[in-house]
Amino acid sequence: DVHLVESGGGLVQPGGSLRLSCAASGFTFSNYWMSWVRQAPGKGLEWVANIKEDGDEKYYSDSVKGRFTISRDNGKNSMYLQMNSLSVEDTAVYHCARHFIAYKAREAFHSWGQGTLVTVSS
Amino acid sequence: DIQMTQSPSTLSASVGDRVTITCRASQSISNWLAWYQQKPGKPPNLLIYKSSHLESGVPSRFSGSGSGTEFTLTISSLQPNDFATYYCQHYFTYPWTFGQGTKVEIK
Repeated sequence: DVHLVESGGGLVQPGGSLRLSCAASGFTFSNYWMSWVRQAPGKGLEWVANIKEDGDEKYYSDSVKGRFTISRDNGKNSMYLQMNSLSVEDTAVYHCARHFIAYKAREAFHSWGQGTLVTVSS
Repeated sequence: DIQMTQSPSTLSASVGDRVTITCRASQSISNWLAWYQQKPGKPPNLLIYKSSHLESGVPSRFSGSGSGTEFTLTISSLQPNDFATYYCQHYFTYPWTFGQGTKVEIK
């Protein structure tokens, strides 16, 4: 079974930084595009960023471009999201998600982690 | 950016009802559309991909249709476990965006 576990969330002050991790198991991590998707409390879903299976291509939403960096370590079956210059608007549960089919970017999100809560507040 | 608009935002229905949720894209997305179900405190669960393909393990009472800018998710006979919030999402071009969600409530 696909298993995705996020960690690294917490309370951070505006302007601060945080690094999220996503540990993957149950599939060949190095074959799949992966994404981060967030959900503000009581709100809808927002795609944040994704990364190719080899890490060579990365895409970001306009709301995080220049502040967030997505990366992965296939040797550790892990993906990361470095978040800098955080604002209160970044407060959300951050989910990692695996794309549906191996080696394909343009795919629905097949599996999701439970998420990790990031709270930006002074 | 492509905007995804769902209607209705809230839907009250009874067990056994046929339920239809609509999702409109602000420009054509071909059939690059997915539907997800989300229950409180849980991550979303993929129901439908490429507009009409049922994900493995999802009950056949769920179906999706549409292409271009207009899409629908239909639940043929609503079951107690189906009361949840449903989201559409396009993955045609970046940035990928979601609809605002449709909450299906018990009537």
